[in-house]
Amino acid sequence: GAVVSQHPSRVICKSGTSVKIECRSLDFQATTMFWYRQFPKQSLMLMATSNEGSKATYEQGVEKDKFLINHASLTLSTLTVTSAHPEDSSFYICSASPRGGTSSGANVLTFGAGSRLTVL
Amino acid sequence: GQQVMQIPQYQHVQEGEDFTTYCNSSTTLSNIQWYKQRPGGHPVFLIQLVKSGEVKKQKRLTFQFGEAKKNSSLHITATQTTDVGTYFCAENTGNQFYFGTGTSLTVIP
Repeated sequence: GAVVSQHPSRVICKSGTSVKIECRSLDFQATTMFWYRQFPKQSLMLMATSNEGSKATYEQGVEKDKFLINHASLTLSTLTVTSAHPEDSSFYICSASPRGGTSSGANVLTFGAGSRLTVL
Repeated sequence: GQQVMQIPQYQHVQEGEDFTTYCNSSTTLSNIQWYKQRPGGHPVFLIQLVKSGEVKKQKRLTFQFGEAKKNSSLHITATQTTDVGTYFCAENTGNQFYFGTGTSLTVIP
């Protein structure tokens, strides 16, 4: 089945530094990848839609300059949290939808394992 | 994006009891998908419903799509500790996915 690899799984950084999170589709091509943020015991908040070869589409309220997204190839999207602050501490999850969907044709999301960011 | 509400937000059940989570939308849904996220894990796709009134089963899990396609439910019969996690419904429209607020299930042994 479709596999999405995300790393690092955990990262601790100092306030003011930048952190890059990678999301790779291992056995399929993904023209679109999605980045979510999840606070403890809360739902998935869509941050942005990453489009291969073009600019990402950000959701309302998400700072583009704060959360830089690059989707340079059909299998890799990166999220860089720039000048991180403690309030950026969260669980970040990427996901992608394989072309053609599942065997039943459903267009479904495959998620990475997530990256837990702690900013000191 | 549009918001899909889920109730309850949290549910604690004794092992062996049944559990149901409901997903409600103010607009007609194209389809409904269900995902499960184990504690500390990531969401995993369970099933998709497309047709009005559709019912699908996966072992002890029963998924239903409302006649008006504005609501859906997930029912678990005789819960087990392995059912612990957060259940999300979601709608897929084109290339967008809109997730519900989720229901966190705790099963007490």
